Amino acid sequence: EAGVTQSPTHLIKTRGQQATLRCSPISGHTSVYWYQQALGLGLQFLLWYDEGEERNRGNFPPRFSGRQFPNYSSELNVNALELEDSALYLCASSPGTTNEKLLFGSGTQLSVL
Amino acid sequence: AQSVSQHNHHVILSEAASLELGCNYSYGGTVNLFWYVQYPGQHLQLLLKYFSGDPLVKGIKGFEAEFIKSKFSFNLRKPSVQWSDTAEYFCAVGGGSQGNLIFGKGTKLSVKP
Repeated sequence: EAGVTQSPTHLIKTRGQQATLRCSPISGHTSVYWYQQALGLGLQFLLWYDEGEERNRGNFPPRFSGRQFPNYSSELNVNALELEDSALYLCASSPGTTNEKLLFGSGTQLSVL
Repeated sequence: AQSVSQHNHHVILSEAASLELGCNYSYGGTVNLFWYVQYPGQHLQLLLKYFSGDPLVKGIKGFEAEFIKSKFSFNLRKPSVQWSDTAEYFCAVGGGSQGNLIFGKGTKLSVKP
């Protein structure tokens, strides 16, 4: 069974640009979660989607946004990139809304220069 | 608001030493509690979880954790660590059985052979 896949693995952008990160959940999983893992800050919750709808949002500015497609894959968009957006962005998926079985991808390393 | 506090940023132990990593959470309701591990170069993996019942839960690789409700704590333990336990450990809390998890900042464990 394929795990949670994220693309690209690495992304280099400059300040002010936009970044798009993608996540494909495990087959049968309808919920997708996005986390930011910045150095020394642990995992900070960004967004939770289930069945195409945004169910919860963390304490991040509106330039962090996303969506979930009918096939349950998801996109995270970061507009007007700032240097402090440099981090590992992790995606997790779960079957339905349960948090008992979150499975994580390997992440996208975003570097903002 | 939910929050998770991990007391130690970096713990260094020799092989065969005992391990205890502290985790305290803040949440005014039913919680699910988790410990995740991130080995170098690998994705986050679930070590163990607590939902209800016996407050002492056992996980993979000889790890266990004890939920003490009165102290809002969920400390991780292992009686004898191995070099292969070198990793970063994250405590997480979920409000009930649904939705996103809130993670602590993580504790880096280095085990000297």
